[in-house]
Amino acid sequence: DSGVTQTPKHLITATGQRVTLRCSPRSGDLSVYWYQQSLDQGLQFLIQYYNGEERAKGNILERFSAQQFPDLHSELNLSSLELGDSALYFCASSVASTADTQYFGPGTRLTVL
Amino acid sequence: DQQVKQNSPSLSVQEGRISILNCDYTNSMFDYFLWYKKYPAEGPTFLISISSIKDKNEDGRFTVFLNKSAKHLSLHIVPSQPGDSAVYFCAASALIQGAQKLVFGQGTRLTINP
Repeated sequence: DSGVTQTPKHLITATGQRVTLRCSPRSGDLSVYWYQQSLDQGLQFLIQYYNGEERAKGNILERFSAQQFPDLHSELNLSSLELGDSALYFCASSVASTADTQYFGPGTRLTVL
Repeated sequence: DQQVKQNSPSLSVQEGRISILNCDYTNSMFDYFLWYKKYPAEGPTFLISISSIKDKNEDGRFTVFLNKSAKHLSLHIVPSQPGDSAVYFCAASALIQGAQKLVFGQGTRLTINP
């Protein structure tokens, strides 16, 4: 158990809909990262937050957004969903924005029908 | 542009033998390298890492080797055990504009045969 929690574990929705994925980092970690893993693909970095502020952006679509709240939990919002958005979404956390080791949650499996 | 590549999608090894997983990278800005292990239905678990100032780091049965001139790293597991069967991701890290960017390879599925 990494100490990072993600909810929900599974999510099934239809095209055009909007969903919110939630992540709670390990106790004491200030930085949260979001990754997408599509079928047979590696993990693609989406976005990073540090202590409530956006720190780095990766290959995140404009239809996707995220935020980190004062209690340090983070939410990833995915809107106007398309079939190709079906994937595993992982959240990771680390102590600082420059910490090298990230600890991953169990992931949320999103299926768009 | 795949900056971190794991060219072997799968590897099968006999229990008790050595498993060697390979990873190549292209960006010389990467200064820290990590290996993660992933079981089905779980998130990646940190396994071992190495700084670019070293060429070897060992932790029990796991050893990571870094060849900076070749931009190549490898993970050795010896002896291999059935519980090592999983997908292994290598990742490379660089500090860019105050943020740590981690780039992952595609993963290698390791199967340990009894």
